[in-house]
Amino acid sequence: EAQVTQNPRYLITVTGKKLTVTCSQNMNHEYMSWYRQDPGLGLRQIYYSMNVEVTDKGDVPEGYKVSRKEKRNFPLILESPSPNQTSLYFCASSFSGTGSSYEQYFGPGTRLTVT
Amino acid sequence: GENVEQHPSTLSVQEGDSAVIKCTYSDSASNYFPWYKQELGKGPQLIIDIRSNVGEKKDQRIAVTLNKTAKHFSLHITETQPEDSAVYFCAASRRNSGNTPLVFGKGTRLSVIA
Repeated sequence: EAQVTQNPRYLITVTGKKLTVTCSQNMNHEYMSWYRQDPGLGLRQIYYSMNVEVTDKGDVPEGYKVSRKEKRNFPLILESPSPNQTSLYFCASSFSGTGSSYEQYFGPGTRLTVT
Repeated sequence: GENVEQHPSTLSVQEGDSAVIKCTYSDSASNYFPWYKQELGKGPQLIIDIRSNVGEKKDQRIAVTLNKTAKHFSLHITETQPEDSAVYFCAASRRNSGNTPLVFGKGTRLSVIA
C-alpha cells in the first residue's frame, strides 16, 4: 500500500530533550516536506526537500533540523524542544515539487507535547 | 509571498443541502489550487484540484470554481452527507516553478447534520 508513515504518533517530552520524528514514504517520491498544524493557523511548512541531499527552509524553520540521506526518509529533528513547539506535525511527499504531478500525500500526523 | 484567506472557519449544514467554502489568494502568479479534506485523527487528503487555465472542475458531488481576475476560488459540495463532515483546506501555489510550496488557508470545519 502506497503511504507515508510517521513515528511516533504521539510524544510527550520535556524542554531541551532532543527528539527525532521519523517520516518514510514508499512511493519513490522526490519531494518531501514537513508541516506543523496549529489551531487557527492552518498548515505551515517547516522544511522541504526537493531530492536526496537537497533541503531548504519553509515558512517556520526556527528550532528544527532535517536531513535527506535517502530518498524514502525525511526525519525531523528538534535539538532542544521548547513548549512553543507543541503542535501536530505532518510529513508529506509528492512525486515532484514541480511539473505535472504535485499531489501531496500526507502522513497520519505526530502529536507532540513539550512541557 | 502568497497569502490565502479562507472563509468561513466553521460551517453547519443540514444533510442534503449544499456547502460552499471560499478562498482568496494574493499572488497573481499562482496557478494551482488544490482542496484537501482532513478527517479526525488523519492527515489531509486531496479531494480535487484546479489549474489556472480552467474555470471549473467537477467530480461527482464536488466542484471547484476559479476566478483568476478576482483571485478567488471556491469549493462546492452538493447533496451533503454526514461523511462529508471534516476540516477542509484550500491551498495555492505556482507549479512548474521550482519549490513554491503550497500555501494553505486556515481551514473550514464542516458539520453535516443528519
